[in-house]
Amino acid sequence: EVQLVESGGGLVQPGGSLRLSCAASGFTFSTYWMSWVRQAPGKGLEWVANIKQDESEKYYVDSVRGRFTISRDNAKSSLYLQMNSLRAEDTAVYYCVRGFAGDPWGLGTLVTVSS
Amino acid sequence: QSVLIQPPSASGTPGQGVTISCSGSSSNIGSNSVNWYQQFPGTAPKLLIYINNQRPSGVPDRFSGSKSGTSASLAISGLQSEDEADYYCAAWDDSLNGWVFGGGTKLTVL
Repeated sequence: EVQLVESGGGLVQPGGSLRLSCAASGFTFSTYWMSWVRQAPGKGLEWVANIKQDESEKYYVDSVRGRFTISRDNAKSSLYLQMNSLRAEDTAVYYCVRGFAGDPWGLGTLVTVSS
Repeated sequence: QSVLIQPPSASGTPGQGVTISCSGSSSNIGSNSVNWYQQFPGTAPKLLIYINNQRPSGVPDRFSGSKSGTSASLAISGLQSEDEADYYCAAWDDSLNGWVFGGGTKLTVL
């Protein structure tokens, strides 16, 4: 069964940092682009970042560029999102998503930025 | 303000059909395929339609997608109460090198 499991979310103060992880199983992780997508409470979906299979290409939405870093470890079938200088508006559920079709999505991990 | 434009709400009675529109531009829908996702409250989105009109296995054929120019549509026929959910369109954007989403449409089955 294809599965994505996110972890690392929590409560952090403005200006703080968090590192999200996504453990993949049930498919050959190294052959897929991977993405992070977030959803603020009561709001719609927002693409955050994506990364090519060999990490040679990484792209970010403007609002996080320079603060967030996406990475992956194909040997561990894992995807990461290092989030620095966090702001209140980064509060959201963060989903790990496979491929260009966006299938499947993980269950998500909640990041709350508040003092 | 989302890049792709969807109506915020749609409704229909059981057995009826409903269509949800999604409007974009030349850098996204106009040059790339469209996916649709279904999301129930408190759960992760699920792929409903990919590459404009393809259904993943397990998705009923009551759901269909289409695309023309810079717009796309999701049609649901024979509405059922369990179709009540939020629906999002998405497309790759060549300017951003990332996905853009619609703001979502809340479907109510009356």
